[in-house]
Amino acid sequence: DVKVTQSSRYLVKRTGEKVFLECVQDMDHENMFWYRQDPGLGLRLIYFSYDVKMKEKGDIPEGYSVSREKKERFSLILESASTNQTSMYLCASSLRPGVEKTQYFGPGTRLLVL
Amino acid sequence: GQSLEQPSEVTAVEGAIVQINCTYQTSGFYGLSWYQQHDGGAPTFLSYNALDGLEETGRFSSFLSRSDSYGYLLLQELQMKDSASYFCAFVMMGGNTPLVFGKGTRLSVIA
Repeated sequence: DVKVTQSSRYLVKRTGEKVFLECVQDMDHENMFWYRQDPGLGLRLIYFSYDVKMKEKGDIPEGYSVSREKKERFSLILESASTNQTSMYLCASSLRPGVEKTQYFGPGTRLLVL
Repeated sequence: GQSLEQPSEVTAVEGAIVQINCTYQTSGFYGLSWYQQHDGGAPTFLSYNALDGLEETGRFSSFLSRSDSYGYLLLQELQMKDSASYFCAFVMMGGNTPLVFGKGTRLSVIA
């Protein structure tokens, strides 16, 4: 079974703090993704990566950065957390498109910024 | 631009059949996927249609019509555990393009 794990299920941070969300997958997937999910807005793509050290902006990259130093790990960084970044953050991974289209999601991190 | 439209909420009775529709607009469309998400859980893959027609997996079926830019998810013999959010997502052609998700349909199954 594919397993995608995220470092925390719940996180509380203060405005202005630097926040790191970690995601690890164990199936040697090329692609990794970060989404945020808010009520009524569905899943919105923040960043994705299709290879080590590669990254692409999604629909809402402002206020976020990412790091992919190893194939299995994809980190989302909030440089200076703000209250409007309070949300559920979901990581996902997939094989390279053309091989399989399925994305496998981690359990999510619910972040509260005070 | 690209977009997906699906109803925000659907309510159905246990044991019944429910259909969740999804219309999309995009260029470079390759296929349509469906994901299920229970409250507090992660989205999980349900089905994928690359060709027109019906794909059946147990109680769940998914349909695609490319000419109508339309698909649906059909759930039969509804159970209380089917109460969840259902997302359609289209797969784009070429390269390393990510899925584009709709806003989700909240299905409530009632007794």
